Amino acid sequence: EPEVTQTPSHQVTQMGQEVILRCVPISNHLYFYWYRQILGQKVEFLVSFYNNEISEKSEIFDDQFSVERPDGSNFTLKIRSTKLEDSAMYFCASSSGLRGRETQYFGPGTRLLVL
Amino acid sequence: DQQVKQNSPSLSVQEGRISILNCDYTNSMFDYFLWYKKYPAEGPTFLISISSIKDKNEDGRFTVFLNKSAKHLSLHIVPSQPGDSAVYFCAARKAGNQFYFGTGTSLTVIP
Repeated sequence: EPEVTQTPSHQVTQMGQEVILRCVPISNHLYFYWYRQILGQKVEFLVSFYNNEISEKSEIFDDQFSVERPDGSNFTLKIRSTKLEDSAMYFCASSSGLRGRETQYFGPGTRLLVL
Repeated sequence: DQQVKQNSPSLSVQEGRISILNCDYTNSMFDYFLWYKKYPAEGPTFLISISSIKDKNEDGRFTVFLNKSAKHLSLHIVPSQPGDSAVYFCAARKAGNQFYFGTGTSLTVIP
């Protein structure tokens, strides 16, 4: 069964450093998403991406964040200058079909720790 | 801005009994609702969904009920099995493709 994959599984970085989190969505999916979950808190929507551009973003997704689909398979989330409060699990998801109504399939997550 | 709420952080149920997980929302613009199950160190896994034009959707042991007037949805699992023990998230979508998740309910099914 196709699945969303994410790398790395864990990332430790120093405050102020740039990090890039990578995702390989399910191959025939058209919509891509990033979410984060701070420890003990809810899963929070960051951004959705369709047709090579951002379709929606939340208040969390400020200028420090960017997303890119550099080739036909990868979908990346970049945090330009990490802050302590960026420490969280970051989940990538993808969905197929019209208007993203179909189910989102999630990757296993990347645990980011900012020191 | 807590648009989707799961007021019960945890729930324990005996194996074979019914598990009922509840979710409330505040935004009447939500038109699509989903339930996800999450094990530790894994991403959420889709369970079942319902469109706002329906009030019930059933898939095997899982049934989701939607009460639009009360802005309430629930997930029924019957019979509950030990493998159902996980954190359950409800999520809601509004037009524009943004999804909002609740804080989760940790279900423990006791053998």
